[in-house]
Amino acid sequence: LAKTTQPISMDSYEGQEVNITCSHNNIATNDYITWYQQFPSQGPRFIIQGYKTKVTNEVASLFIPADRKSSTLSLPRVSLSDTAVYYCLVGDMFEFSGGYNKLIFGAGTRLAVHP
Amino acid sequence: NAGVTQTPKFQVLKTGQSMTLQCAQDMNHNSMYWYRQDPGMGLRLIYYSASEGTTDKGEVPNGYNVSRLNKREFSLRLESAAPSQTSVYFCASRTVRILTQETQYFGPGTRLLVL
Repeated sequence: LAKTTQPISMDSYEGQEVNITCSHNNIATNDYITWYQQFPSQGPRFIIQGYKTKVTNEVASLFIPADRKSSTLSLPRVSLSDTAVYYCLVGDMFEFSGGYNKLIFGAGTRLAVHP
Repeated sequence: NAGVTQTPKFQVLKTGQSMTLQCAQDMNHNSMYWYRQDPGMGLRLIYYSASEGTTDKGEVPNGYNVSRLNKREFSLRLESAAPSQTSVYFCASRTVRILTQETQYFGPGTRLLVL
């Protein structure tokens, strides 16, 4: 399973764009990249997932360079309610592969958004 | 559609007592997971179940047992609770369709205090 490395914490202000980068140097061909968000006293919540290039949804964008050894979660115009821990996960996308069913969370990035 | 439900929400145990944490999902997911989260830390995988009838160890299985009772239910048992098992326990379920968006859902968590 590919190990991920993220910054421990980040600070931002309301209205700014926030970019959180995750390194996954040992990512395998079958691996996809997924980001989760966790608020205090709640379970993590799925934000976005991608395999390569760029993915965008109503919440965030995910940028993945050609070598796929890193990825960047971009949160546009953050608000106070975006204060949370963000986790980057790398996992196998084929259900019958050995690594598929393990979802390993790292320590995550604590994002604090200030007024 | 309740998603992932966990019982109890909160429990206090004395060292050496046993208990079972219950988890159920109504989304027809194949894979189910148990994580623990210690204060200020990320999630650590205890056990997972790829499908009904199968279970596998995660990162921190010692002191725990699991049962995948049927497709809906996945329980976590502490046979002899220790203070080191004081944590928040999250259950999750997941399904992935190849090349499409992943869906994974977490329960609200069970807060366990072992005295």
